[in-house]
Amino acid sequence: DTAVSQTPKYLVTQMGNDKSIKCEQNLGHDTMYWYKQDSKKFLKIMFSYNNKELIINETVPNRFSPKSPDKAHLNLHINSLELGDSAVYFCASSQDNGGRPQHFGDGTRLSIL
Amino acid sequence: GEDVEQSLFLSVREGDSSVINCTYTDSSSTYLYWYKQEPGAGLQLLTYIFSNMDMKQDQRLTVLLNKKDKHLSLRIADTQTGDSAIYFCAETGGGTALIFGKGTTLSVSS
Repeated sequence: DTAVSQTPKYLVTQMGNDKSIKCEQNLGHDTMYWYKQDSKKFLKIMFSYNNKELIINETVPNRFSPKSPDKAHLNLHINSLELGDSAVYFCASSQDNGGRPQHFGDGTRLSIL
Repeated sequence: GEDVEQSLFLSVREGDSSVINCTYTDSSSTYLYWYKQEPGAGLQLLTYIFSNMDMKQDQRLTVLLNKKDKHLSLRIADTQTGDSAIYFCAETGGGTALIFGKGTTLSVSS
């Protein structure tokens, strides 16, 4: 049973397109996250939701819009994709927002042509 | 500001011990973490230590925490070729999100 699952695993698309990445966790956790890993492997938080409420919104272009329909799901929609958006996007979840261990999905590798 | 520093590369021979070091700046982290990322794979939570502990041992892994110096280390005993990966140190700095170091690439030669 996969704890944190993301789809798709790979996403190759053209500049200017709009795309979505989905994430689901079956751990019963309250808090979910999106992180971005760049080409140098540096990982940085983008967003976090706790019980469907946005609690972290880092300096991310407003072309990126997260949505949490329920506490088990956190999706990421990206409008007008740019070359610099090429990265690996990781979803994660934790029991609560008190700094507890976070469990990560396998990542979505986004390549912009 | 918040910052996590770790050396970028470590090369060891199979069977030796590996020690990966990390320094962090925010002393309010409740937990400190080590994550492992194999080539082309996701992030695996390897181990973590509660901030009021000095040491945690888990099979071949030993985590040492020096809160005074804000220094965290991960020792892997009897390192195997399967341990070759990038190891990330992370803290939460009293907040919610993980703040990661740049990762240490461990290369194990046979």
